[in-house]
Amino acid sequence: KNQVEQSPQSLIILEGKNCTLQCNYTVSPFSNLRWYKQDTGRGPVSLTIMTFSENTKSNGRYTATLDADTKQSSLHITASQLSDSASYICVVSDDFGNEKLTFGTGTRLTIIP
Amino acid sequence: DAGVIQSPRHEVTEMGQEVTLRCKPISGHDYLFWYRQTMMRGLELLIYFNNNVPIDDSGMPEDRFSAKMPNASFSTLKIQPSEPRDSAVYFCASSTLTGAVSPLHFGNGTRLTVT
Repeated sequence: KNQVEQSPQSLIILEGKNCTLQCNYTVSPFSNLRWYKQDTGRGPVSLTIMTFSENTKSNGRYTATLDADTKQSSLHITASQLSDSASYICVVSDDFGNEKLTFGTGTRLTIIP
Repeated sequence: DAGVIQSPRHEVTEMGQEVTLRCKPISGHDYLFWYRQTMMRGLELLIYFNNNVPIDDSGMPEDRFSAKMPNASFSTLKIQPSEPRDSAVYFCASSTLTGAVSPLHFGNGTRLTVT
């Protein structure tokens, strides 16, 4: 069964600090991995999409890495801001479309001033 | 573009009542998805449409749930009769195939509470 596991479940850090969120998956075949940010009371918003051949992708202060051999991904947030407080969801797909996505349950990140 | 629009944002109803959730996808998107999100299970796909045709409804939990897409700009998810365990946030999302990986665009959801 395809699975996506994220760690930690929750994380609290001080504003300005860096942090790294982890995602392990057992989806097969593998096509691409996405990271979404979900603010409280809002829908998830796409941060990055990485295909099999990509091992890093950045979106501003967010940098995602992918190791397809070990089936692991990380999302690194640099110089955190209060607006980074959200849930971050790792999603893995076995093809280009969106019909067969496997979702992680997310990491809840809280930034404190 | 205004993005995916869902209504209502919040719905509180009593057990046994009919509930209808509404969604307007992004113009030009030919795929529409309905998801349910709970703390315990995260995001779960209920059903998706391609060009207004339901393709896979295997995620619909029971016959009490039904979804329609009468045209390219409107879809509904109906629960009849509703039960307390249906309480969750329901998201609509849309996307299109571009020959490359296409992101899923979510609405802001409908928070359903069934008492």
